[in-house]
Amino acid sequence: GQNIDQPTEMTATEGAIVQINCTYQTSGFNGLFWYQQHAGEAPTFLSYNVLDGLEEKGRFSSFLSRSKGYSYLLLKELQMKDSASYLCAAMDSNYQLIWGAGTKLIIKP
Amino acid sequence: DVKVTQSSRYLVKRTGEKVFLECVQDMDHENMFWYRQDPGLGLRLIYFSYDVKMKEKGDIPEGYSVSREKKERFSLILESASTNQTSMYLCASSLGGELTNIQYFGAGTRLSVL
Repeated sequence: GQNIDQPTEMTATEGAIVQINCTYQTSGFNGLFWYQQHAGEAPTFLSYNVLDGLEEKGRFSSFLSRSKGYSYLLLKELQMKDSASYLCAAMDSNYQLIWGAGTKLIIKP
Repeated sequence: DVKVTQSSRYLVKRTGEKVFLECVQDMDHENMFWYRQDPGLGLRLIYFSYDVKMKEKGDIPEGYSVSREKKERFSLILESASTNQTSMYLCASSLGGELTNIQYFGAGTRLSVL
């Protein structure tokens, strides 16, 4: 079956770095997406990886290893506004997104 | 900026009622999607559409139907609402052609069926 695993909740300190991991098993693979969702709001796109390696976008970076079925989202210089849920989604061979349950990130001062 | 608008943020309906959830996007996107989001679960795809008057079943279409009469509008219909359809419903849209295009989401409709 198809499956996405990510931690349910993580806590980090303002100004620090946090890495949110995601492992996936899908029928075929057409890329890995990360979204951010603040409580009560729409998910918003953060990153898309289809090739192995690290993609950096400001304070956020996303890494993909296709051979390991693994991705992570790295958040640097954490700010209080980064408190949100982070959703990992893998695109399968039918171009459908398979979603993880999300990681709730709590930032403490 | 892409805008996806869902008609209601909160809805309370009774079991057996017919429920309409409306979604409108303003960026001329070809693809539109309906998901439901439940605690502890990932987003689950109910239906999607790649074109006007076209619809495809997602992973959990039972108890739902959809309508896409105009490109910008995608409606989700609960023919006879049941308590297990209490959930957050999210609409999304994406550009056509490139199937790996980013999906843009509305703010969601939280539906309670009593």
